[in-house]
Amino acid sequence: QPQLQESGPGLVKPSETLSLTCTVSGGSINSSNCYWGWIRQPPGKGLEWIGSIYYSGSTYYNPSLKSRVTISVDASQNRFSLNLTSVTAADTAVYYCAKQRGNSAYYPLDYWGQGTLVTVSS
Amino acid sequence: DIVMTQSPDSLAVSLGERATINCKSSQSVLYSSNNRNYLAWYQQKPGQPPKLLIYWASTRESGVPDRFSGSGSGTDFTLTISSLQAEDVAVYYCHQTYNIPFTFGQGTKLEIK
Repeated sequence: QPQLQESGPGLVKPSETLSLTCTVSGGSINSSNCYWGWIRQPPGKGLEWIGSIYYSGSTYYNPSLKSRVTISVDASQNRFSLNLTSVTAADTAVYYCAKQRGNSAYYPLDYWGQGTLVTVSS
Repeated sequence: DIVMTQSPDSLAVSLGERATINCKSSQSVLYSSNNRNYLAWYQQKPGQPPKLLIYWASTRESGVPDRFSGSGSGTDFTLTISSLQAEDVAVYYCHQTYNIPFTFGQGTKLEIK
């Protein structure tokens, strides 16, 4: 079964870009035939889907974040990444990466990383 | 956006008793071409990521105890824990993947009475 691990800065300044990477082990992104997603959870609050990507690079984004979000994949390194520009305090959250259960972005999320807390503060 | 509304917000149930959590979507999440409800249930314990319990509204994920079951179709769904165990204390979320943006319910906190 795949294992996912998020990595990146835990502190980002307002107006700057949040960049996170999810490294997948125990399976190849190329041969997985599934989508991979990013989800976030502000401290003490609920879950918000950010977007999803296929190994080929096909993406789906949450329209509320679409103007600021880019999700990319580096299959050679078996990882995918999240960039969120022009961050504010409202972007402070635990960010999770996850695998979707099949070759559609409309499938549920069956494996999750442990999550990484990103705080936006000067 | 499809709004997912869970009830109750919190629930206290005695060990061995049944726990029932409801989830209502603002529009149907049933895809008629394959007769699947694009509705999943997750369990989240403190400091942990969500764990997939149920998908397609009623299909139990591999390894999930059979005391967990999901039911419903269209806009109304239920997660049932038939006999509550201490390790079931968690927050439970419903999640629709029928329409983008995919959305979650606000969560239901389940505790032991």
